Amino acid sequence: GQSLEQPSEVTAVEGAIVQINCTYQTSGFYGLSWYQQHDGGAPTFLSYNALDGLEETGRFSSFLSRSDSYGYLLLQELQMKDSASYFCAVRDLNSGYSTLTFGKGTMLLVSP
Amino acid sequence: DVKVTQSSRYLVKRTGEKVFLECVQDMDHENMFWYRQDPGLGLRLIYFSYDVKMKEKGDIPEGYSVSREKKERFSLILESASTNQTSMYLCASSPPGQGTHEQYFGPGTRLTVT
Repeated sequence: GQSLEQPSEVTAVEGAIVQINCTYQTSGFYGLSWYQQHDGGAPTFLSYNALDGLEETGRFSSFLSRSDSYGYLLLQELQMKDSASYFCAVRDLNSGYSTLTFGKGTMLLVSP
Repeated sequence: DVKVTQSSRYLVKRTGEKVFLECVQDMDHENMFWYRQDPGLGLRLIYFSYDVKMKEKGDIPEGYSVSREKKERFSLILESASTNQTSMYLCASSPPGQGTHEQYFGPGTRLTVT
């Protein structure tokens, strides 16, 4: 089976940098995705890492180390609107078809 | 602009009722997914479909069934609703294979079973 671990809650102040970690155990691994979900909203895709290293998209970056079964999402220059839940998700195979298995989510609270 | 729509934002049903949740996507995606989201449990995959009339069980299929008669539409059916099926239900779609990492979600249906 698959399991993902991420912190349940992280707090930070505006303008700061925050890192949300994700460790995973899975029988098959094809990549790690990150999603953002505002309260009452739908999850939206942020980034994806299939290979080791850092992917940067504006203020957000995502890192993957396949040998350590570990990844993180880095949010820079935090803004109040970044307060949301963040989910890591492993892309793996389910009955031979590609699916995502999600972590339980990290709630990020950004204060002034 | 890509879009996934769900038939209802809020739904209240009684125990034992048959419940249909509808999802429509306009991106011509092969893959469609149904998840339920509960506090502290994240998103859990109920069923998915990789093509018309095809379906596969996810991690928690018990008590649910699905139907995909057209490429753009994926329905989740609760044959006999129970109180433990009270939850937020999210539909998503994606391209096939490697495209699965980027899923597009609908706004969700909050179902309450009383």
